Amino acid sequence: GQQLNQSPQSMFIQEGEDVSMNCTSSSIFNTWLWYKQDPGEGPVLLIALYKAGELTSNGRLTAQFGITRKDSFLNISASIPSDVGIYFCAGPPLIQGAQKLVFGQGTRLTINP
Amino acid sequence: DADVTQTPRNRITKTGKRIMLECSQTKGHDRMYWYRQDPGLGLQLIYYSFDVKDINKGEISDGYSVSRQAQAKFSLSLESAIPNQTALYFCATSSGARGEQFFGPGTRLTVL
Repeated sequence: GQQLNQSPQSMFIQEGEDVSMNCTSSSIFNTWLWYKQDPGEGPVLLIALYKAGELTSNGRLTAQFGITRKDSFLNISASIPSDVGIYFCAGPPLIQGAQKLVFGQGTRLTINP
Repeated sequence: DADVTQTPRNRITKTGKRIMLECSQTKGHDRMYWYRQDPGLGLQLIYYSFDVKDINKGEISDGYSVSRQAQAKFSLSLESAIPNQTALYFCATSSGARGEQFFGPGTRLTVL
């Protein structure tokens, strides 16, 4: 089935550094979602984007809905140890309406104190 | 209290056994989903339901079945468990308005 291309697959950074990750698709999305998953837990919704060009923040997290509607970016500023986890992008392809989500492969974030 | 709950949280079983995983939600959402996650991988859709009378297969439904007993309850069954069904299983709900889904804490299933 369709997948989103998420990069990088993993990141190893120092505490306090900024983080950037992105997600691309070959088809148009009308919603972009960013989730975080802690080990052994379910994904938690961080940010939802609904309009091309939209820039939305949630604390130290900022996400953008690409103008082409085929990509999205997530930035984390001034990382702290609790940011460790796996970040997933997801969205319902326009062709499917809001019925089902497709997910990226995830970005695993590791922070050295 | 959690909006989406899953039971059990952990289960170890043997090949050939029938297993049921349960999901309940208090969010009032009509749409419910079951996903599977293998180590280091993303989420794969097993089954989904848009209301009590609606059941749809996802990408990897073979070897699984579901039951939507009520708006708030959606259970996943493995009729005859096999070792390659060892994985994390997540239930999710959605109001359907914009595609956002909200996940339960997961069930870790091990099939020996």
